[in-house]
Amino acid sequence: DGGITQSPKYLFRKEGQNVTLSCEQNLNHDAMYWYRQDPGQGLRLIYYSQIVNDFQKGDIAEGYSVSREKKESFPLTVTSAQKNPTAFYLCASSIDLTGIYNEQFFGPGTRLTVL
Amino acid sequence: KQEVTQIPAALSVPEGENLVLNCSFTDSAIYNLQWFRQDPGKGLTSLLLIQSSQREQTSGRLNASLDKSSGRSTLYIAASQPGDSATYLCAGMDSSYKLIFGSGTRLLVRP
Repeated sequence: DGGITQSPKYLFRKEGQNVTLSCEQNLNHDAMYWYRQDPGQGLRLIYYSQIVNDFQKGDIAEGYSVSREKKESFPLTVTSAQKNPTAFYLCASSIDLTGIYNEQFFGPGTRLTVL
Repeated sequence: KQEVTQIPAALSVPEGENLVLNCSFTDSAIYNLQWFRQDPGKGLTSLLLIQSSQREQTSGRLNASLDKSSGRSTLYIAASQPGDSATYLCAGMDSSYKLIFGSGTRLLVRP
């Protein structure tokens, strides 16, 4: 089955810890994205990557970091510098970033809770 | 800066009713507009994507329209069913190829 997987589904973090959220896709998509969703709100873009070894900050990148070493993987690290990390995190991908084939497809999400 | 608004925030209708969900955006320079469905605690499922050069797209009981001049998109759901109950999100792609999301309309279809 082609799709996007995220793990874990639930994640608990203690104050001062860094945690890494996994995102893998087997759709052969070039572009990948990380979003944050807070209750009752739309999604906000954290980071995006147009191609391997390239990524750009989105609207709320402070306290987060990413890497794109492989086409199919785009992990997100929530660092201790992120003051309010409790949220639902969604990963997405699209065939490309700027062409007409930029329909985004989403993974099932990871719910992060700070204890 | 592009802003996307969805009104109402919540909607409750009886089964079988036809309904329209509204989405408005402030900047008409969008590349496309995408409608998504989100079930509680789940990711987003893409429903329809309308390119900026298109006026509408249809998939089964769903029809989405786009009017760039008025800054509006609508999602029409025909013959609603309880299984349609979910949150519906619209998102416009701005000039930097970023999707700007509305906060969603939470739909409840009553049996």
